[in-house]
Amino acid sequence: DAGVTQSPTHLIKTRGQHVTLRCSPISGHKSVSWYQQVLGQGPQFIFQYYEKEERGRGNFPDRFSARQFPNYSSELNVNALLLGDSALYLCASSLASGVPYEQYFGPGTRLTVT
Amino acid sequence: AQSVTQLGSHVSVSEGALVLLRCNYSSSVPPYLFWYVQYPNQGLQLLLKYTTGATLVKGINGFEAEFKKSETSFHLTKPSAHMSDAAEYFCATYTGTASKLTFGTGTRLQVTL
Repeated sequence: DAGVTQSPTHLIKTRGQHVTLRCSPISGHKSVSWYQQVLGQGPQFIFQYYEKEERGRGNFPDRFSARQFPNYSSELNVNALLLGDSALYLCASSLASGVPYEQYFGPGTRLTVT
Repeated sequence: AQSVTQLGSHVSVSEGALVLLRCNYSSSVPPYLFWYVQYPNQGLQLLLKYTTGATLVKGINGFEAEFKKSETSFHLTKPSAHMSDAAEYFCATYTGTASKLTFGTGTRLQVTL
C-alpha cells in the first residue's frame, strides 16, 4: 500500500510569493495534519483536518491556511512568504482525529525562501 | 499542557554498544507517548508508542522503551547499536483533543566503528 505522498519534493520561492503544498493520505485515512520542521528543531504543529473540517490549529500566522478535499487529500497554502518560512513541511495522516490514532508521515516538502 | 523534554541533543555510541536516548514527559493526565526516527532528508517513521497497558513497549528495528510513571520518563533503548541506527530521534506526545503531536527537540544519534 502507498504511504503518505507529498508534492513537490523541493521548492524554491522568493520573499513575498505564495506557495501551495499538497498531500495525499494513506488510503482509508480521513485525517491529515501539517507540521513545520525548521532545521535543527522538532516538528511544530500547524493544522489538523478531519472530514474536511479544521480540528486544530497551531500558533502560526494567518498567512498559513489549509483545506481538505472530498478525497481527503489536503493543501497547505502560505502567503507573503518570509525567509523564516524556509523549512521542511511534513504531512501526516491518521484514520481519524484524536487519540490514540497514530500518525503516519510523508517524506516532506523542503521549502527554501530566498 | 502535555510536553516532552529530550535530554542530550547529540549522543555518540560505538557499534554494538547500548543505545539510551532520554525523554521525560510533563502531563496532568495519562500520556500517550511516541518515539519517531528521522533519517537524513526523509520524513518521520514511528518506532514505537505507549498508550495504555504494558509499560515496556517493543518497537521496530530492535528498539524498546519503558514508561515509568514515577520518573515521568519514556527512555528509548536498544541493546546493540548498528551503523544504520544513525539518525535523529524524536520523542512526542499528544496534546489536546485533536491529533496534535508535540515533539521534543530531538537527539541526533551517531554510531561509530
